[in-house]
Amino acid sequence: RKEVEQDPGPFNVPEGATVAFNCTYSNSASQSFFWYRQDCRKEPKLLMSVYSSGNEDGRFTAQLNRASQYISLLIRDSKLSDSATYLCVVNMPGAGSYQLTFGKGTKLSVIP
Amino acid sequence: DAGVIQSPRHEVTEMGQEVTLRCKPISGHNSLFWYRQTMMRGLELLIYFNNNVPIDDSGMPEDRFSAKMPNASFSTLKIQPSEPRDSAVYFCASSILAGRFDNEQFFGPGTRLTVL
Repeated sequence: RKEVEQDPGPFNVPEGATVAFNCTYSNSASQSFFWYRQDCRKEPKLLMSVYSSGNEDGRFTAQLNRASQYISLLIRDSKLSDSATYLCVVNMPGAGSYQLTFGKGTKLSVIP
Repeated sequence: DAGVIQSPRHEVTEMGQEVTLRCKPISGHNSLFWYRQTMMRGLELLIYFNNNVPIDDSGMPEDRFSAKMPNASFSTLKIQPSEPRDSAVYFCASSILAGRFDNEQFFGPGTRLTVL
């Protein structure tokens, strides 16, 4: 089983639509969870951290389900500028190391 | 404010040549990470440093790869000799200190390496 698994997409949605991405992770001891955004030919940038109780930042909502080892990202009222690849990121603890493991990303295209 | 700075931005070289990638982390950040991104494998951690000391290099593919951090403001990733399969985008990232629960990593713009 891959450490962090995402549907690669692409998700093609019209402006104004609501879209949800899912991610599963393999290490039940993971403690930190994030969504990063990566625009084409650019570097990844933190979109939001994911907390156990779920958290919201404007049009973006992140949820964590530890029992199912599952993370989600919901984008409401999609904008053209939301077009990007969304990377699910999980820390993989062990042996005194702190390693973030990135999923391969889900590509979103918001179309007019 | 300056972010993470990487050089060169693009590098084209021939198989067998030595390649050196450079990174200047954000001032005040104590942790520095080197990643490699390809379509097939996604973003992979190669090595990271805390306070200039290498902590985990288990992601370094083989002995051809080496990384150094001689001081808090500079790191290099060297590939010698380079091979076509090393072609990828190499990112450097820095953070305040690895291990914090909500630590954000700030990425540089990357070096796009092509080995012919």
